[in-house]
Amino acid sequence: GAGVSQSPSNKVTEKGKDVELRCDPISGHTALYWYRQSLGQGLEFLIYFQGNSAPDKSGLPSDRFSAERTGGSVSTLTIQRTQQEDSAVYLCASSLGGTTGEQYFGPGTRLTVT
Amino acid sequence: GENVEQHPSTLSVQEGDSAVIKCTYSDSASNYFPWYKQELGKRPQLIIDIRSNVGEKKDQRIAVTLNKTAKHFSLHITETQPEDSAVYFCAAKLTGGGNKLTFGTGTQLKVEL
Repeated sequence: GAGVSQSPSNKVTEKGKDVELRCDPISGHTALYWYRQSLGQGLEFLIYFQGNSAPDKSGLPSDRFSAERTGGSVSTLTIQRTQQEDSAVYLCASSLGGTTGEQYFGPGTRLTVT
Repeated sequence: GENVEQHPSTLSVQEGDSAVIKCTYSDSASNYFPWYKQELGKRPQLIIDIRSNVGEKKDQRIAVTLNKTAKHFSLHITETQPEDSAVYFCAAKLTGGGNKLTFGTGTQLKVEL
């Protein structure tokens, strides 16, 4: 079946502009996660959605970052007034939720802020 | 919250040798420990995982061990091959923390011919 997909694959934006990144999880997966991976770095947790519960936003680095998950499926990560330090690969993952741990990652969106 | 430390950051081995990557975690309430492999330019993929009620798990050339008392777990790759070259990430999940994973900073493994 189809895996996690993300769009766009690459995004170049000017400092100060807003960007939206999209994630389509695997059908039936109730949990969805956003991570940020800077060059040569690990995976930094941003936000986590589980079913209809309130999202865990504890990893969002500033109030310029927000995310939504509509209808329990597609998610959008929005970064307002982008800064150069926002440049990174943004990875989305989904899982079945419950106690099943395996997260399936999307290909990521490479964001470059000039 | 949980904190995961991973060592070494880079590891170079000769083909056929074994490779060991170690991680420590801070929260004794963590109960699930996966390992992900990320090849250059690709997405992370799960290669093996272990739950807190098990001390060791093997899958062909890959094994993971867990020491709950010491709060550390390790990835062991035997008979390494060039295709094992990648970045490996460990992670930990807190009991009751949903399925949120805290990742280590990664180990760049290079298998030399």
